[in-house]
Amino acid sequence: EVQLVESGGGLVQPGGSLRLSCAASGFTFSSYWMSWVRQAPGKGLEWVANIKQDGSEKYYVDSVKGRFTISRDNAKNSLYLQMNSLRAEDTAVYYCARDPDPYSSSWSLFYWGQGTLVTVSS
Amino acid sequence: QSALTQPASVSGSPGQSITISCTGTSSDVGGYNYVSWYQQHPGKAPKLMIYEVSNRPSGVSNRFSGSKSGNTASLTISGLQAEDEADYYCSSYTSSSTPHVFGTGTKVTVL
Repeated sequence: EVQLVESGGGLVQPGGSLRLSCAASGFTFSSYWMSWVRQAPGKGLEWVANIKQDGSEKYYVDSVKGRFTISRDNAKNSLYLQMNSLRAEDTAVYYCARDPDPYSSSWSLFYWGQGTLVTVSS
Repeated sequence: QSALTQPASVSGSPGQSITISCTGTSSDVGGYNYVSWYQQHPGKAPKLMIYEVSNRPSGVSNRFSGSKSGNTASLTISGLQAEDEADYYCSSYTSSSTPHVFGTGTKVTVL
């Protein structure tokens, strides 16, 4: 069974940093593009970033470029999101998600974690 | 990159068919066959219903179908059921500096 379990969320002050993790199991992690998607309270979905199987390609939404870094450790079956210079508008539930098929990206997300809440507030 | 445009709400009676539109530009919906649709119930993670415009993942009911014409994609739900009441989001690959964008979301109400 495919499982994606996010962790690392919490309350952080504006300007602070946080590192989210996503532990993957039930599939060959190193074969799939992986993504982060967020959803502010009561708002819609916003794609944040994705990363290729070997980490050689990474893409970001404009609003987080230069502040967030996506990475992965295929040996540990884990996906990460390092978030620096956090702002109030980064407050959201952050989901880890996986493409439907291995090796290529269809820019769609089949498996999702349960999400972890990040709150940026003083 | 702006969000793709969806109607805020769509409603229908049980058994009816409804269609949700998703309007973009030639740089996203109109230019690529990477349109997806997601269903989200309150407090739950989204669920992929359609990918690559019209493909249904395994396990998704064939009451859900997707299509595209020009810069507008559509999700049709036929034989509407109470369990279909949820928020629906489209998404697309884009050639802009942000390569993936979601729609504004549509709340589906089953009357």
